[in-house]
Order: sequence, then C-alpha cells, then structure tokens
Amino acid sequence: GQNIDQPTEMTATEGAIVQINCTYQTSGFNGLFWYQQHAGEAPTFLSYNVLDGLEEKGRFSSFLSRSKGYSYLLLKELQMKDSASYLCAVSPSAPTTDSWGKFQFGAGTQVVVTP
Amino acid sequence: GAVVSQHPSRVICKSGTSVKIECRSLDFQATTMFWYRQFPKQSLMLMATSNEGSKATYEQGVEKDKFLINHASLTLSTLTVTSAHPEDSSFYICSASRPDTSGTDTQYFGPGTRLTVL
Repeated sequence: GQNIDQPTEMTATEGAIVQINCTYQTSGFNGLFWYQQHAGEAPTFLSYNVLDGLEEKGRFSSFLSRSKGYSYLLLKELQMKDSASYLCAVSPSAPTTDSWGKFQFGAGTQVVVTP
Repeated sequence: GAVVSQHPSRVICKSGTSVKIECRSLDFQATTMFWYRQFPKQSLMLMATSNEGSKATYEQGVEKDKFLINHASLTLSTLTVTSAHPEDSSFYICSASRPDTSGTDTQYFGPGTRLTVL
C-alpha cells in the first residue's frame, strides 16, 4: 500500500534550524512535494524534488534520497510566522487515466516556533 | 504564476440546500483539478479528481450523487454539495495541476471554502 510518515509535531526557537523528516513507501515515484499550511488556510507549495539531492530555496531546503524513500525539509533562521503544519506529499508513478497527478499526503508535521 | 482561486471563501446555508463552489486556475490551464475536504486538525482528504471534459473520479466512500463535480473548461471546476447537512460542514479545498519544465505535475491549491450547514 501507500504510506507517508512524518513526525506529528516539532518545537524550535526563533532563529534556530528545524529538520522535518518524511519517509515514504509508494507504488513508484514521480516526485516529492512539500507544502506549508497555516491554521485555517489552504496549503501553499514550498518545493519539490524529483532527483536525489538538495534543493535550496532561500531559508527552506528540501532533500531527497529515492533509494531510501526519504526526504527532509530544512527550515533555517526560524521566524514566528513559520509556525504551521508542513505536509509531505508523493506523486506515485505509473499513473492510470484515473490516477494521473494524484498525490499521497502525509498527515503533516506541526511546527511550533517559540520566542 | 500558478494562482488558483476559489469562490466563495465562506458560506453558511440551511440544511437541505445545495451549495456550489467554484475553483479557477487564473494564469494557467489545468486539465486536472482535485477536490479535498479537511476537518479541523485532520489531514487533507481527497474527495475526487476532476478531469476537463470527462467525468470526475471519486474516491472510495465519497457519494458522487451528493458531491457533483463539473470541469467544463481548462480553467474552471465546480463542486456542488447537494442537500447539504450539518455533517457536511467542513473546509473544502481545490487544487489544480500544472506541469513544470521537467514535466512534473505540481498541485497548486486554492484558498479554500469554509462551509457551515445549520
């Protein structure tokens, strides 16, 4: 079956670094995505990885190892506004007409940034 | 780029009425859109996949006669909650798929519609 695992909650102080891990087991792989979701709002796209390695986007970086079924999202220089839920999502490969583009989402990691 | 809008953002209705939610991709064409539902402090639940020009594909347990989806153009999909009941109160979120330069389809989410059924 499909399985996406990420920690439920993480707490860190302002200015610190937090790493959110995500492991996955899916039927094939066509990309791993990270989204940020503030309470009461819809998710916003942060980054994606298709190939192994690190993708850096400002204070946010995402890493992927396809052989290990593992990714992490790194948040640097944490700010209070970074308090949110972070969703890991995988796009399985071998899409059928009915499943094209469907994502498997993890339950989300609630990051709490304290002063 | 990749802006997705939803309308209305918030709706309150009486039990038994129908509510239509619109999802639009504003700066790209989306062959495929998705409809999700999210209850407080729970994860996203995919309801259905909306394909332009064809019937929607519903996830197991989602009643297609209750949640009507129409994807009549490459920039618009609508979700109609028919005969709404209090248990249908939830946060409904759409997303639209857009391929990037490497061909990977990324989902971009609309801002969501909060439905309250009295």
